Amino acid sequence: NAGVMQNPRHLVRRRGQEARLRCSPMKGHSHVYWYRQLPEEGLKFMVYLQKENIIDESGMPKERFSAEFPKEGPSILRIQQVVRGDSAAYFCASSPWTGSGTGELFFGEGSRLTVL
Amino acid sequence: TQLLEQSPQFLSIQEGENLTVYCNSSSVFSSLQWYRQEPGEGPVLLVTVVTGGEVKKLKRLTFQFGDARKDSSLHITAAQPGDTGLYLCADASNDYKLSFGAGTTVTVRA
Repeated sequence: NAGVMQNPRHLVRRRGQEARLRCSPMKGHSHVYWYRQLPEEGLKFMVYLQKENIIDESGMPKERFSAEFPKEGPSILRIQQVVRGDSAAYFCASSPWTGSGTGELFFGEGSRLTVL
Repeated sequence: TQLLEQSPQFLSIQEGENLTVYCNSSSVFSSLQWYRQEPGEGPVLLVTVVTGGEVKKLKRLTFQFGDARKDSSLHITAAQPGDTGLYLCADASNDYKLSFGAGTTVTVRA
């Protein structure tokens, strides 16, 4: 039973390029979350998505960042015109719907973005 | 969003020793979680505590939730090299919007 799958595991971009990070949730999970972990800091919530819907994007920077979870295929976190401060580990998590809440979050192994 | 403080930031001990790490907040948690994150991996949930004064055991790990629900501790008995990792506490009061502390990096030397 595969866990949350993220790719690429490592991504290097130059300033001004675009970064696309992909996440496939665990089988049977319909809720996806993206978190960012900056060096020496805790993980910070970015966005919560269900299929074709953004439920909560309160943690997303207003510019350059976008996320989607299409009807078919993985969730994508897209960062346009990357800057050095975007260098971080980006974690995707998924959960089932329990009927009384989103349930336990299962995290992927992360995608580590380095901006040169 | 409340701030969580974890201490110490780093801890290095010999195999077989005991250790305790702490998680504190100025506000009340309705639900607190502990995670372990190994290098290059994502965090893995260890336990959820919701009741003040609650104590939960997971093999050699003992989790305690303060009576006032503002603090928590994780105690590891007879630590092993496999316990090495980053221990994170998270305020889970807001369902999916977890608020994490910066973590305690634990190294257990063989």
